[in-house]
Amino acid sequence: NAGVTQTPKFQVLKTGQSMTLQCAQDMNHEYMSWYRQDPGMGLRLIHYSVGAGITDQGEVPNGYNVSRSTTEDFPLRLLSAAPSQTSVYFCASSPRGPLVAFFGQGTRLTVV
Amino acid sequence: ELKVEQNPLFLSMQEGKNYTIYCNYSTTSDRLYWYRQDPGKSLESLFVLLSNGAVKQEGRLMASLDTKARLSTLHITAAVHDLSATYFCAVDLWGTSYGKLTFGQGTILTVHP
Repeated sequence: NAGVTQTPKFQVLKTGQSMTLQCAQDMNHEYMSWYRQDPGMGLRLIHYSVGAGITDQGEVPNGYNVSRSTTEDFPLRLLSAAPSQTSVYFCASSPRGPLVAFFGQGTRLTVV
Repeated sequence: ELKVEQNPLFLSMQEGKNYTIYCNYSTTSDRLYWYRQDPGKSLESLFVLLSNGAVKQEGRLMASLDTKARLSTLHITAAVHDLSATYFCAVDLWGTSYGKLTFGQGTILTVHP
């Protein structure tokens, strides 16, 4: 049982480059989310989805895009990477109801 | 806007001692979650508290929720080194903002021999 799978685990980008962080879950969870984790700031919600075809912005959405065409996948796109986007990114999924989130292993992104 | 605040942010404990981490939140909610994160690792769910007065215990950790005070506590009893980690609380506003979790800043716990 894979749970929530994120790829890649590490990535270095140059300023201005674009890329997509992949997230897939095999638990048939309706809810999926992307967070970024920065020292001293906890996890901040970037975007989230309550089902296929439905997405919404979280606390820090600028510079990121998402789409959810299937229940399983929720990719996060960085449109034009900036050094301020250097962070650890976590994808999470939850079943409907209490948000007991299952987290992926994280992607450590460095923008130079 | 929902705000979730933890204190302390850093906690250095001796093995065998007791201590409490506090989680305050700004908007009425009856859903609170505690997570643990080991260095360089992902987050693991510890407790789910879904009503006023809820208390959950697992080993040396006990979590409680007071929705009237908008406060949750994570109590550590007789700390051991294995409990060293970062602990997060998180809140969701089911019914008004479903699908979203708001996290506290995290408490970095270090247990010394």
